[in-house]
Amino acid sequence: DQQVKQNSPSLSVQEGRISILNCDYTNSMFDYFLWYKKYPAEGPTFLISISSIKDKNEDGRFTVFLNKSAKHLSLHIVPSQPGDSAVYFCAASGSYQLTFGKGTKLSVIP
Amino acid sequence: GAGVSQTPSNKVTEKGKYVELRCDPISGHTALYWYRQSLGQGPEFLIYFQGTGAADDSGLPNDRFFAVRPEGSVSTLKIQRTERGDSAVYLCASSISGGSTDTQYFGPGTRLTVL
Repeated sequence: DQQVKQNSPSLSVQEGRISILNCDYTNSMFDYFLWYKKYPAEGPTFLISISSIKDKNEDGRFTVFLNKSAKHLSLHIVPSQPGDSAVYFCAASGSYQLTFGKGTKLSVIP
Repeated sequence: GAGVSQTPSNKVTEKGKYVELRCDPISGHTALYWYRQSLGQGPEFLIYFQGTGAADDSGLPNDRFFAVRPEGSVSTLKIQRTERGDSAVYLCASSISGGSTDTQYFGPGTRLTVL
């Protein structure tokens, strides 16, 4: 069973608009959540994280929101830029091991 | 500073052969992880090293897979009697201490193709 789910395999957004990527998890033991960005033929690059004691973390154009009661987190990118086009992975940690979703491919259209 | 490096970037081998994949973590990081990413999937955990010892190898699929980190820095993932189903991208990551809130930094991966 998938403990971390990204239900949208792909998302297309116009340049300058907001991109919202969603992630759901099932394991209540997860207490730290991360978003990674991946370009083709490269490894995942860390983007932003959030601890379960917070409900929001912001870093420039990127904001992650965590709703613990719903076991749901989202990544907001505003404004979206063509260079943001990549696959975004949501990951969750309860110890040292990361559990990843399948990823969402974001395409930002100029 | 230098990030995580992995060699080779690509490896093509024949079914039944033995392969070694190398990972050089970020200097000073005591924790090292191996993940495997199959097509259309997210990375899946294989093994975690704290220093020289394998603290958790529960993700290794079977006994054909083995990993070492003899001096607490570079790690080698070894696969014996490779099978076509082993074809995937093997990712290595490192973090400062292995804590649950440590950020794991990934290398570019080794794409393994078993013919």
